[in-house]
Amino acid sequence: EVRLVQSGAAVKKPGESLTISCKVSGDGFTSFWHSWVRQVPGKGLEWVGRINPTDSSVNYSPSFQGRVTMSADKSISTAFLQLSSLQASDSAMYYCARLGRHWGQGTLVTVSS
Amino acid sequence: DIQMTQSPSSLSASVGDRVTITCQASQDVNIFVNWFQQKPGGVPKLLIFDASNLEQGAPSRFSGSGSGTEFTFTISNLQSEDFATYYCQQYDRLVTFGPGTKVDFK
Repeated sequence: EVRLVQSGAAVKKPGESLTISCKVSGDGFTSFWHSWVRQVPGKGLEWVGRINPTDSSVNYSPSFQGRVTMSADKSISTAFLQLSSLQASDSAMYYCARLGRHWGQGTLVTVSS
Repeated sequence: DIQMTQSPSSLSASVGDRVTITCQASQDVNIFVNWFQQKPGGVPKLLIFDASNLEQGAPSRFSGSGSGTEFTFTISNLQSEDFATYYCQQYDRLVTFGPGTKVDFK
């Protein structure tokens, strides 16, 4: 069974950076792209970007380009999302997902002074 | 980047109704469209992949069709557990979600 388990909720101040982890258990960590999706409370789903853990190639949404960095550590089957220069508008639930079939439980990020 | 427009943004329906949601891509995305269901406080759930393929475990009352720029998602016999928000997603070039359609009780 594939499971994606994300790190816990985070509270950040404006201007700070955020790192969220997504540990994947089950097979195929290096066989699939892993995406990050965010959802502002009460709003829709927004794709942040994706990473291929095999070679750490990435694609980022233009909306986040320049502020986002995705990485992966194959040795621990974990993907990471870093988002810098946080603003209040970055307050949201952040999900990792694989092929749309498997999702993490979400990480709630609050950005507040 | 590819934009996905979805209509309607919301609809009210009754148990047993047939519900149809449409999604239009700003460019040709072939068949690379998924449909998701999300309930309040829940994680998105994949229902349809590659425009028309029913995800394993999803009820057969859900169906999808289309290719290119026009896509349709249908619930043939709405059940109480189907009241939720539905999203289309293209994954032909990067990934984009539609804005969602909220299905609630009439």
